[in-house]
Amino acid sequence: AQKVTQAQTEISVVEKEDVTLDCVYETRDTTYYLFWYKQPPSGELVFLIRRNSFDEQNEISGRYSWNFQKSTSSFNFTITASQVVDSAVYFCALSYLNYGGSQGNLIFGKGTKLSVKP
Amino acid sequence: KAGVTQTPRYLIKTRGQQVTLSCSPISGHRSVSWYQQTPGQGLQFLFEYFSETQRNKGNFPGRFSGRQFSNSRSEMNVSTLELGDSALYLCASSLRLGTSGGELFFGEGSRLTVL
Repeated sequence: AQKVTQAQTEISVVEKEDVTLDCVYETRDTTYYLFWYKQPPSGELVFLIRRNSFDEQNEISGRYSWNFQKSTSSFNFTITASQVVDSAVYFCALSYLNYGGSQGNLIFGKGTKLSVKP
Repeated sequence: KAGVTQTPRYLIKTRGQQVTLSCSPISGHRSVSWYQQTPGQGLQFLFEYFSETQRNKGNFPGRFSGRQFSNSRSEMNVSTLELGDSALYLCASSLRLGTSGGELFFGEGSRLTVL
């Protein structure tokens, strides 16, 4: 079965600290996608990144970086020099190839609430 | 361009009633998915519609249903409401079916409270 585990329920840091959000996934599929979404208090989920299972290259986007390691089934997210505006709930998600041949629905972790204090 | 629009944003119902939630996807998007978010179960997939047809369904009872119109707008309905149906219902749209086409764009959700 497919599963996503975000072991950190809540993290609190002081502004300018670096913080890493952990994500471990389980799947028997060889073709799948991994995602990170941000959910601010307003409620909508904001897309951050999508990575397919064949691309293990790390990615950096400004202060955000992602480390994908298939050997440990992990897709961790690091925020460098955190800011108060980064405060939100962050979700890691997995989608798999369904029977119809298309990537199916998202399977979400429980989320990590990040609080960045000034 | 306009994002995903969900209405109503907040609503309160009593047990046994039914509710209909609406979602207008981003213009040009043909796929609409629905997710339920609760503190206990987290985010769970309800169903996905593409070209007016349900293409994928999550593990929810038959009280949860949906449909999609020719303009890609979607509605979901929950009948015989139970207390456990209290949740934030999120709609997402995308260009193509599933997540192979890229990101899902989410609305701000409809927060349902069942008393």
